[in-house]
Amino acid sequence: GDSVTQMEGPVTLSEEAFLTINCTYTATGYPSLFWYVQYPGEGLQLLLKATKADDKGSNKGFEATYRKETTSFHLEKGSVQVSDSAVYFCANQFYFGTGTSLTVIP
Amino acid sequence: DGGITQSPKYLFRKEGQNVTLSCEQNLNHDAMYWYRQDPGQGLRLIYYSQIVNDFQKGDIAEGYSVSREKKESFPLTVTSAQKNPTAFYLCASSSIERSPPNEQFFGPGTRLTVL
Repeated sequence: GDSVTQMEGPVTLSEEAFLTINCTYTATGYPSLFWYVQYPGEGLQLLLKATKADDKGSNKGFEATYRKETTSFHLEKGSVQVSDSAVYFCANQFYFGTGTSLTVIP
Repeated sequence: DGGITQSPKYLFRKEGQNVTLSCEQNLNHDAMYWYRQDPGQGLRLIYYSQIVNDFQKGDIAEGYSVSREKKESFPLTVTSAQKNPTAFYLCASSSIERSPPNEQFFGPGTRLTVL
């Protein structure tokens, strides 16, 4: 069946460091893929998405490329800020990864 | 403002009592979803509905029930049969007008504690 596996956390980075959070998926067919972000005590918000192979989703400096050959959708940001501290979820429609907690320190 | 509302934000119940969590959306979305979030386990799908008066079980439907009498509303009842109901519950909705499926919009969540 469908599933999503993402990098375990927590991740702690200094401000302006490079961020990668790995995500791989299994699916029948070619699903849309999503990254959501959750701030403490809140629901999830869409961060970015890609709907087909080789698509790159981007938003607020975050990027992720839909790689069919490696079944991956890794999240990257070149220079993180303190305000990026949150939990990040990779998803394939109904199936969500376990979440990766990111803390950025000044 | 369009969005999804869940109430209440915090809910306490005694063991053995049924409890209903509210979810309302004014986004005109056809599909609605309930997830349960536990620490270290991500989100798990309880039920979803793509049309009024129809819904499907997700991966962990046992001990839960839902109804979809109106497009805007998708209440979740946590019954006494649910063995471990204490969790954070998230409601979401999405448009199903396009294929592949669109992103989901989430409510703020209800934290249920069973004493």
